[in-house]
Amino acid sequence: QKEVEQDPGPLSVPEGAIVSLNCTYSNSAFQYFMWYRQYSRKGPELLMYTYSSGNKEDGRFTAQVDKSSKYISLFIRDSQPSDSATYLCAMSGGSNYKLTFGKGTLLTVNP
Amino acid sequence: DAGVIQSPRHEVTEMGQEVTLRCKPISGHDYLFWYRQTMMRGLELLIYFNNNVPIDDSGMPEDRFSAKMPNASFSTLKIQPSEPRDSAVYFCASSFRGTSQETQYFGPGTRLLVL
Repeated sequence: QKEVEQDPGPLSVPEGAIVSLNCTYSNSAFQYFMWYRQYSRKGPELLMYTYSSGNKEDGRFTAQVDKSSKYISLFIRDSQPSDSATYLCAMSGGSNYKLTFGKGTLLTVNP
Repeated sequence: DAGVIQSPRHEVTEMGQEVTLRCKPISGHDYLFWYRQTMMRGLELLIYFNNNVPIDDSGMPEDRFSAKMPNASFSTLKIQPSEPRDSAVYFCASSFRGTSQETQYFGPGTRLLVL
């Protein structure tokens, strides 16, 4: 079993839709959870960061962590064509700076 | 700030040749990471440095891969000899051990094709 599992998609939605992206993990030592966005032919950029169970909101984006189920989600409200990208979940544990990434989900928002 | 700078942006080489990828981290950052991204395996950490010292190189696939960080503003990843299976996008990232210690800033990547 891989440490981090992420459905690669692709996911195609109409503009304005609510998007839900998910990852599961197996390593209980993971304490920090991130979502990175990667546009085509670019490097990943940090979108959301959280270290506790529950929800964290930033504009149209909400990150949700359920440590008991080892499950994290990213919700995008009122999705825009500019949100079209690959979304990667990432996580790390304790003082370890190593990030373990999911394979990424390719999202396309159609105008 | 210019962000993380990588060179070259594209590299095409023949099997058996030496390849050197370069990275300039964000000024003031004390962590530097080298990643490899492929469709099959996703984004994998190869090695990371703290204050120019290699901390964990367990992700380096083989002895053909080596990385150095001679100073705080420069790092190299070398593949010698290169093989077709090394074809991938190689990313360098840097971070600062501050309040957002997990925030890694990625460069634009080097697309490597080994023929």
